[in-house]
Amino acid sequence: EAGVTQSPTHLIKTRGQQATLRCSPISGHTSVYWYQQALGLGLQFLLWYDEGEERNRGNFPPRFSGRQFPNYSSELNVNALAREDSALYLCASSQGLKNEKLFFGSGTQLSVL
Amino acid sequence: AQKVTQAQTEISVVEKEDVTLDCVYETRDTTYYLFWYKQPPSGELVFLIRRNSFDEQNEISGRYSWNFQKSTSSFNFTITASQVVDSAVYFCALPFLTGANSKLTFGKGITLSVRP
Repeated sequence: EAGVTQSPTHLIKTRGQQATLRCSPISGHTSVYWYQQALGLGLQFLLWYDEGEERNRGNFPPRFSGRQFPNYSSELNVNALAREDSALYLCASSQGLKNEKLFFGSGTQLSVL
Repeated sequence: AQKVTQAQTEISVVEKEDVTLDCVYETRDTTYYLFWYKQPPSGELVFLIRRNSFDEQNEISGRYSWNFQKSTSSFNFTITASQVVDSAVYFCALPFLTGANSKLTFGKGITLSVRP
């Protein structure tokens, strides 16, 4: 069974551009979570989607947005990129139940020059 | 507020040494779960364990063991006879519950290097 897949693995952009990151959850999982892992800052929660709806949002500006499609895959969009957005973006999926473990993808390494 | 503190940032040991990774948490919830994840160089976080606050029994799985103590709000992780393949970043995490929503709050992680 395929795990959580993310694309692309690496993305290089310049300041002011937009980035789109994609995530496919494990089959049967309805919840998708996005985390940012910047150097020295640990894992920061970005967004949680479940059944196509945004359920929770971390402390990030509105230029970080996303959506979840009917097949439960998800996109994370980052507008007006800044150098400090350079980070590993991790996607995770679950069945959407409380306290269950998350299954993570290998991430997208975003570099903003 | 929910908080997870992993005071150790980097640990380096020689293969076959035992190593303990500390995790201290804060929560206002009376029942809660705690998690440990491992992040090898490939980047993907791998689930290691989930414990319920009801159960304070120590857990052992092969070379891994976990010591959960509610009295000190700690959930420490010990690797016995460490191996080079154990080199990774280890995260302790606590679900943050807001009504019907929840997300995992992670500690900053501990980078473990096991030298041959």
